Amino acid sequence: DAGVTQSPTHLIKTRGQQVTLRCSPKSGHDTVSWYQQALGQGPQFIFQYYEEEERQRGNFPDRFSGHQFPNYSSELNVNALLLGDSALYLCASTPRDRRMDEQYFGPGTRLTVT
Amino acid sequence: AQSVTQLDSQVPVFEEAPVELRCNYSSSVSVYLFWYVQYPNQGLQLLLKYLSGSTLVKGINGFEAEFNKSQTSFHLRKPSVHISDTAEYFCAVSDNNDMRFGAGTRLTVKP
Repeated sequence: DAGVTQSPTHLIKTRGQQVTLRCSPKSGHDTVSWYQQALGQGPQFIFQYYEEEERQRGNFPDRFSGHQFPNYSSELNVNALLLGDSALYLCASTPRDRRMDEQYFGPGTRLTVT
Repeated sequence: AQSVTQLDSQVPVFEEAPVELRCNYSSSVSVYLFWYVQYPNQGLQLLLKYLSGSTLVKGINGFEAEFNKSQTSFHLRKPSVHISDTAEYFCAVSDNNDMRFGAGTRLTVKP
């Protein structure tokens, strides 16, 4: 059983560009959360998707948006990239009927904005 | 709003010594508490969690933590560490609508 997978592993973008990150949840999981982890810091909650809708959102600007597909996979989109968006982006999936108490994390996507 | 403070940014210890990583939290509602470990270039792995019930929680790899409501703490302990325990450790708090992480404690186990 594959765990949570994320793609790409690394990418480099230029300020002002847009980026899309992808996440496939663990089998049997229907909820996906996204986190931003800046260098030397703990992860910060961006938002959570359930039933293809954004259910919860952290304190991030609307440049950060997402989507969940019928197969429960998810995308994180960031527009108008800033240097400060450079971070490790983590995806976490949760089993059906659970919310935050049973999260499984993927390996992350390292985004560098130059 | 809830928040987490990890009191030590770095903890160096010798192999086979005991270790305690300290975590304090604040919240106006009942919360769940977690400890995660992150190895280099990897995502987070759950070590243990407190949801309710017994305040002493046992996790994987020989780690345990004690929930202390009066002191709003959730310290992580291991009686004897191994070189392989070298990693970044994160304490987290959740009200099931949001999850807040501490800044992390870098545990370095020396031979």
